[in-house]
Formats: sequence, structure tokens, C-alpha cells
Amino acid sequence: SAVISQKPSRDICQRGTSLTIQCQVDSQVTMMFWYRQQPGQSLTLIATANQGSEATYESGFVIDKFPISRPNLTFSTLTVSNMSPEDSSIYLCSVDRTGSSYEQYFGPGTRLTVT
Amino acid sequence: LAKTTQPISMDSYEGQEVNITCSHNNIATNDYITWYQQFPSQGPRFIIQGYKTKVTNEVASLFIPADRKSSTLSLPRVSLSDTAVYYCLVGAMNRDDKIIFGKGTRLHILP
Repeated sequence: SAVISQKPSRDICQRGTSLTIQCQVDSQVTMMFWYRQQPGQSLTLIATANQGSEATYESGFVIDKFPISRPNLTFSTLTVSNMSPEDSSIYLCSVDRTGSSYEQYFGPGTRLTVT
Repeated sequence: LAKTTQPISMDSYEGQEVNITCSHNNIATNDYITWYQQFPSQGPRFIIQGYKTKVTNEVASLFIPADRKSSTLSLPRVSLSDTAVYYCLVGAMNRDDKIIFGKGTRLHILP
């Protein structure tokens, strides 16, 4: 398994501001994923981040709103830009270490509240 | 990607065996069945994966009938700490097949 940490663990932000969430993995991984989980809901994939290339966004998510960086094989950031209350969610990063996208290891999540 | 259907919620008591069934009628030949567990305020945790028949690990067993159109996650002798949401996912084990979480089954263990 992989050890994944996220910072911050939670934050309360004002609308119109931006927050950058960091994801650190204890070993090198090729692919990292970012998910959103709204209160009481299931997880929704935002984007897939490979080191050295642009992130691939899922339908309904755009780079201007959720820019992602992947500077090396152990680190990624997700920025939630120009936030509104609808962005209040838990944001999770995950990694795939086995070559199977179905065996992922998740970080603890960042709980974001936008007021 | 095969669609999955599982009960929205289940209750059980400590010490009981819990079986959560997932339907996946449109499962493809190269699809695997994967289960995740998510505790409150935590990210999901991979617990078991299988292709056919039975798979067992230290956490759970996964039973898959010959037609593979359903699967059953079995948790032996549950405790209060097994209260969680359990997700059943079906898809091919390659990086091109994006993982999609359904609504999951909210399991509540009672004392």
C-alpha cells in the first residue's frame, strides 16, 4: 500500500478566493487522481494527473476552475479557484501503484467549506 | 463500464456475518469486481478484488457466481468498527478504464 498525506486537512474559505490542496505520496507513482465527494454523496473523479503532462479532466470539470500541478512522481496539487459555496466538498487524492486503475490508495481528504 | 446496483443501506448486529450483494448484469469478459470500504471522514480503502469463484483475505470474502452477473461481499463476525460505506465497482484492470464510484451501501452495525 501507499502512504498518502494531504494538506490542509480542512479549511474554511470565503467565496471568490482560491485554495491549493497538496497531496504527497511516500513513493514514486505514475498516476495520481483527484476526486470530489460532496456531503453524503459518492466520489466523483475530477482529473487524472501524470507527471510531465497536462492533467486529463473529466466531463464537468475544467482546468481554469481546478488547475492541477504534478511536478514530480510523489507530489501533486489541486487548486479550487474562485470558490463558491457549491465547491464545499471533501477533495481526495489517490494513487494507482499496481497498474490497475481499480486498485487505488486514497489520501485522508481535505474538507473544504466555502462561506 | 458495467453499471452496478447495491442496497442503499443495511443494518446488522455485532458478531453477525454480513453479506452485501452487488448486481452487475452487463459485466464484460475482462472486467474485475472490486470492493472499497469508506469510514466516516476517511478516504476509501481497497478491500478485495476478484474475477470469478471465491476470493478471501484477512478482511473479507468475495463470492462470484459462474455467470458473474452479481457478487457478494461477506464480512465475518462484524464489529461496530465495520460501520462504513461499501462500494462495489466493476471494470477492466487497466489504466485506461476509469474508476467510477456508485452510491455504495451504508452498513450500520448495532451493538
